[in-house]
Amino acid sequence: EDQVTQSPEALRLQEGESSSLNCSYTVSGLRGLFWYRQDPGKGPEFLFTLYSAGEEKEKERLKATLTKKESFLHITAPKPEDSATYLCAVRSQGAQKLVFGQGTRLTINP
Amino acid sequence: KAGVTQTPRYLIKTRGQQVTLSCSPISGHRSVSWYQQTPGQGLQFLFEYFSETQRNKGNFPGRFSGRQFSNSRSEMNVSTLELGDSALYLCASSLDPRTGSEQYFGPGTRLTVT
Repeated sequence: EDQVTQSPEALRLQEGESSSLNCSYTVSGLRGLFWYRQDPGKGPEFLFTLYSAGEEKEKERLKATLTKKESFLHITAPKPEDSATYLCAVRSQGAQKLVFGQGTRLTINP
Repeated sequence: KAGVTQTPRYLIKTRGQQVTLSCSPISGHRSVSWYQQTPGQGLQFLFEYFSETQRNKGNFPGRFSGRQFSNSRSEMNVSTLELGDSALYLCASSLDPRTGSEQYFGPGTRLTVT
């Protein structure tokens, strides 16, 4: 069964303090690893898709990387508006559904 | 380009009633998936529709059902509501799941069962 584990559950940083969020996964044939951002009371907002080990994607202060067992979301010099819950999900070769991790709740203090 | 829309945004129902939620995907997207989000269980997959056919179903009881229309709009229905059905119900659309394309989510419908 496909599984996704995100760590830490919650992370509090000062503005400008860079860090990384982890997403470990077990999947029978990865067909895509997805990162989303979710603000309270809203639907998840798509950030990145990664398909193969070694792949990297960047958007503003965010950079996502992928290995055969995990993905990292690196946040460089974060701002308070980066505060949100970040969700990781995988899709396997044998299924169409996304399997989500529990998310990392990120808080950036000014 | 308009995003995924869901109606209604908020619902309050009584235990034992039934409810129907609606989702309009992004124009051109043919696949619609539904998820339930609760604080304890996170995001759980309900079902997926593509070209009016249910392609996948999650581990939810038969009280949860859905359908997709020829214009790709989708509805989900929950019958005999239970207190535990209180959750944020999210709809997501994608171009074609067979290609592994990403899913875009709507704002959700917040269902409260009393």
